[in-house]
Amino acid sequence: KQEVTQIPAALSVPEGENLVLNCSFTDSAIYNLQWFRQDPGKGLTSLLLIQSSQREQTSGRLNASLDKSSGRSTLYIAASQPGDSATYLCAAPFSGGYNKLIFGAGTRLAVHP
Amino acid sequence: GAGVSQSPSNKVTEKGKDVELRCDPISGHTALYWYRQSLGQGLEFLIYFQGNSAPDKSGLPSDRFSAERTGGSVSTLTIQRTQQEDSAVYLCASSLRGSNTEAFFGQGTRLTVV
Repeated sequence: KQEVTQIPAALSVPEGENLVLNCSFTDSAIYNLQWFRQDPGKGLTSLLLIQSSQREQTSGRLNASLDKSSGRSTLYIAASQPGDSATYLCAAPFSGGYNKLIFGAGTRLAVHP
Repeated sequence: GAGVSQSPSNKVTEKGKDVELRCDPISGHTALYWYRQSLGQGLEFLIYFQGNSAPDKSGLPSDRFSAERTGGSVSTLTIQRTQQEDSAVYLCASSLRGSNTEAFFGQGTRLTVV
């Protein structure tokens, strides 16, 4: 059974810091892992999708890595800004197929000026 | 619009009433997901549709919950005899071919049962 865990649950940093959000999953036989952002009262916005054949993906100041053997993914945010404040969620497919996504509980990020 | 559309955006209903929530996925996406997010909580999987295959209903919390997807496109989540614990944001997502492709979410329907 796929379980997804995110650490830390909350993070508060001053503007300009580089930071790392962690995601771990129990079933390493995944096809991909996806990172999302959720602003308060809003839906989820897809940030990055890493296929199992890839080790990392980059989009602007965001870089996500995937290590299937250790069951971990990290989201690196460079030069954080107050506009990055949101909840970040990772999701992995349920074991064994092209089916439902299992989400972590998220990391609530606050970037203060 | 090219994104996932959900309606209504907000719904207030009396306990015991039935409600229907609608999701219009991105055109051409064969996979559709419903999730529930209670206040301050993570995303709880409800149901998953993939093409013409039988849906994965393993996340539906009770037989008061049902969902259908007509013509492989629009989906409706129905909650019968609503209870206060059904109050949550209901999120719909679609992807091109299932969870091996990027999922896109709608803005959700906030359901309040009074």
